[in-house]
Amino acid sequence: AQSVTQLGSHVSVSEGALVLLRCNYSSSVPPYLFWYVQYPNQGLQLLLKYTTGATLVKGINGFEAEFKKSETSFHLTKPSAHMSDAAEYFCAVSNPTGAQKLVFGQGTRLTINP
Amino acid sequence: GAVVSQHPSWVICKSGTSVKIECRSLDFQATTMFWYRQFPKQSLMLMATSNEGSKATYEQGVEKDKFLINHASLTLSTLTVTSAHPEDSSFYICSARGGQGNYGYTFGSGTRLTVV
Repeated sequence: AQSVTQLGSHVSVSEGALVLLRCNYSSSVPPYLFWYVQYPNQGLQLLLKYTTGATLVKGINGFEAEFKKSETSFHLTKPSAHMSDAAEYFCAVSNPTGAQKLVFGQGTRLTINP
Repeated sequence: GAVVSQHPSWVICKSGTSVKIECRSLDFQATTMFWYRQFPKQSLMLMATSNEGSKATYEQGVEKDKFLINHASLTLSTLTVTSAHPEDSSFYICSARGGQGNYGYTFGSGTRLTVV
């Protein structure tokens, strides 16, 4: 079975500051990892994903994440927060084979302070 | 890019009635679609996985007779909430696999269901 733990249900940073959202996963097979963003009353938008290859993955809106197998982590970062980054962020894991369904973490609400 | 259209975006219905939610992949074929339920300020809970032309696979604890899922074509899956009750009020989101390379999942914009 796979699982995802997002440390911190709520993160608050100042505009222009570094954003760091933490995600740790558990998987018995090499996982595929994803970060999604959700704005109120909307669906999920893919920020980035890791499947194979380079462990540092760059996504949209200046976000990036690094897959660290030894730490079973896939933390999301952005060097400089913007007000428009305020949203709910979900880390997710899937098994590359089989049903390939996504398993989500509990989410982290990011607040940007002016 | 890959687009999944979900309708309606919100619906209010009376207790005891049924509501159908549609999920369409507009520019790609989705052999697999997923239906999620999201409670306020919580994560997404997978309800079922549907494959085109076959019966949906429901997650443990999800009533298949209450949440009817049909995936009749490669671009359309529907979720019907039958005999809805207030406790069925929630945000329902569909997702289709494909459209972003082999390992992408594209999400619909969600449906806010309120049962009164």
